[in-house]
Amino acid sequence: GAVVSQHPSWVICKSGTSVKIECRSLDFQATTMFWYRQFPKQSLMLMATSNEGSKATYEQGVEKDKFLINHASLTLSTLTVTSAHPEDSSFYICSVIPISYEQYFGPGTRLTVT
Amino acid sequence: AQSVTQPDIHITVSEGASLELRCNYSYGATPYLFWYVQSPGQGLQLLLKYFSGDTLVQGIKGFEAEFKRSQSSFNLRKPSVHWSDAAEYFCAVGAPGAGSYQLTFGKGTKLSVIP
Repeated sequence: GAVVSQHPSWVICKSGTSVKIECRSLDFQATTMFWYRQFPKQSLMLMATSNEGSKATYEQGVEKDKFLINHASLTLSTLTVTSAHPEDSSFYICSVIPISYEQYFGPGTRLTVT
Repeated sequence: AQSVTQPDIHITVSEGASLELRCNYSYGATPYLFWYVQSPGQGLQLLLKYFSGDTLVQGIKGFEAEFKRSQSSFNLRKPSVHWSDAAEYFCAVGAPGAGSYQLTFGKGTKLSVIP
């Protein structure tokens, strides 16, 4: 398996501000990380694929200028929610793939925008 | 594109009873199949996976799942449920050879356990 951490675990911010969420792979060098969004009582929605050293690949309908992803090293990917609004409130989860197709998830970050 | 259906949104069982959570998939070939469990406010933990070979796979925490090609199913089972098994369970499908390691998740089944 792989151990993945996320920071912060919970963040509250005011509308219009930006929030950065970190995803760290603690015991595995991850060239690829996935970012998901999960609404209450719903499934995971893939937002983007984060690729180390290159631009992220965003899923259809996800605003790349709003959700900035930076995968600067093999152990760290960051998701920045820019100019956050209440509708961005959600649970954000990242994952790594140490073994083909076998994803290991971080504990998630709950974002609340007031 | 692949898809996953979990027909049961919410299941309630008594502690000690057996459990079966249903998962049906749609994919043109044999997919890679996974079951994940999510406790409230937590990330997902991999319970078990099927890539090929024996269609009955064993996982952690006493769970098992059986791949049935004819039914396009990958149901999760546990012979005796513990109160700590109460959580949300997600079935997921991966498409071998698609050039991406993305998974498609079902909508989840919430399991409640009555003491």
